[in-house]
Amino acid sequence: GAVVSQHPSRVICKSGTSVKIECRSLDFQATTMFWYRQFPKQSLMLMATSNEGSKATYEQGVEKDKFLINHASLTLSTLTVTSAHPEDSSFYICSAKRRQGTYSNQPQHFGDGTRLSIL
Amino acid sequence: SQQGEEDPQALSIQEGENATMNCSYKTSINNLQWYRQNSGRGLVHLILIRSNEREKHSGRLRVTLDTSKKSSSLLITASRAADTASYFCATDALTTSGTYKYIFGTGTRLKVLA
Repeated sequence: GAVVSQHPSRVICKSGTSVKIECRSLDFQATTMFWYRQFPKQSLMLMATSNEGSKATYEQGVEKDKFLINHASLTLSTLTVTSAHPEDSSFYICSAKRRQGTYSNQPQHFGDGTRLSIL
Repeated sequence: SQQGEEDPQALSIQEGENATMNCSYKTSINNLQWYRQNSGRGLVHLILIRSNEREKHSGRLRVTLDTSKKSSSLLITASRAADTASYFCATDALTTSGTYKYIFGTGTRLKVLA
């Protein structure tokens, strides 16, 4: 159990394009989803925490208008990179936590990531 | 930055040897988790250790936690070539909205040579 599907796995597009990435929890309900960005050979940097039915909480330095997050249901969160530029090229990974209590003692379940390349 | 640090950054060992990687963090925690990432993939949860636990085992994995030193270690015994991956620790942090987020360490790139 605990499968998270992230789509698409790879995107190559022109500068100025907006790109939407989907993150779905396939076999569980996720009240909280997280979006991370990862540069080559580096750690994951949390971009935002997405709670179902409410606005996402963005980390310091992450532009809300640039990275639009929507968590419309307990199984789906989307990240839209608006007007993407080459510096937005990166590996984006989502994760989800099960809807079980409010404690932090739940592991995150990760999608397989999306490699975004902006030309 | 709240980000924790791991050492070593990279580790290369022979198959059958043990691999130890360490994680230091900065804030008080409820739990600490270890994850594994194969190249170009998402992360896989390995083990969670609560702040009131000192040691935990799962198969060939052994995790220790020292909250007084704000550090944890991950030991992989009898390593295999398939253990080649990056390993990250993650600590929880309470947000202003009352939910928890996770801060990942810098990671250790493990290479197990056959």
